[in-house]
Amino acid sequence: AQKITQTQPGMFVQEKEAVTLDCTYDTSDPSYGLFWYKQPSSGEMIFLIYQGSYDQQNATEGRYSLNFQKARKSANLVISASQLGDSAMYFCAMRGPIIQGAQKLVFGQGTRLTINP
Amino acid sequence: DVKVTQSSRYLVKRTGEKVFLECVQDMDHENMFWYRQDPGLGLRLIYFSYDVKMKEKGDIPEGYSVSREKKERFSLILESASTNQTSMYLCASSYRAVTNEKLFFGSGTQLSVL
Repeated sequence: AQKITQTQPGMFVQEKEAVTLDCTYDTSDPSYGLFWYKQPSSGEMIFLIYQGSYDQQNATEGRYSLNFQKARKSANLVISASQLGDSAMYFCAMRGPIIQGAQKLVFGQGTRLTINP
Repeated sequence: DVKVTQSSRYLVKRTGEKVFLECVQDMDHENMFWYRQDPGLGLRLIYFSYDVKMKEKGDIPEGYSVSREKKERFSLILESASTNQTSMYLCASSYRAVTNEKLFFGSGTQLSVL
């Protein structure tokens, strides 16, 4: 069974600093995918970035990058030059089995990030 | 933009009531999902549907049922609400997946069962 662990319940960072949110995973499948979502106070989950297990390079999307270390089973999210609007809950998720074309996502516990001015 | 709309942002119900949570998506997605979110537990999958009238149990289906009579609409039903079903409920949808297909989420329904 897949499992995602986020060990940082909360983080406080100064504006403009870089921040790393930790995510470790466990799976026996050789093919898997890892997602990061952001949940602001409005409640809607916003997709940030995706990394496939066979991707050769770390994924990047603007200020977001994913530090993928396959041997260590970690997929940390790095946000460069943090902004006040980055304050939110962040979830790491792993793609589980695809059933009839529907992929189940298994989520971690989340990390609440607060950016201080 | 993809829009996933949940009918209520906040709901307060009594123990034993039958509760319907409605979700509508406007992007012709094949797949729809219901998750519940609890502090410290993240999101857990309740049920999902990959086609009209088709449904699959997720990781915590007990106490819930679902209905998908039309492609754009996916309903979560609490047959007899209990206090331990107080939670944030999130609906999501996606295209049919091959290797990766991101989920689009609604804003959630905060349900309180008293």
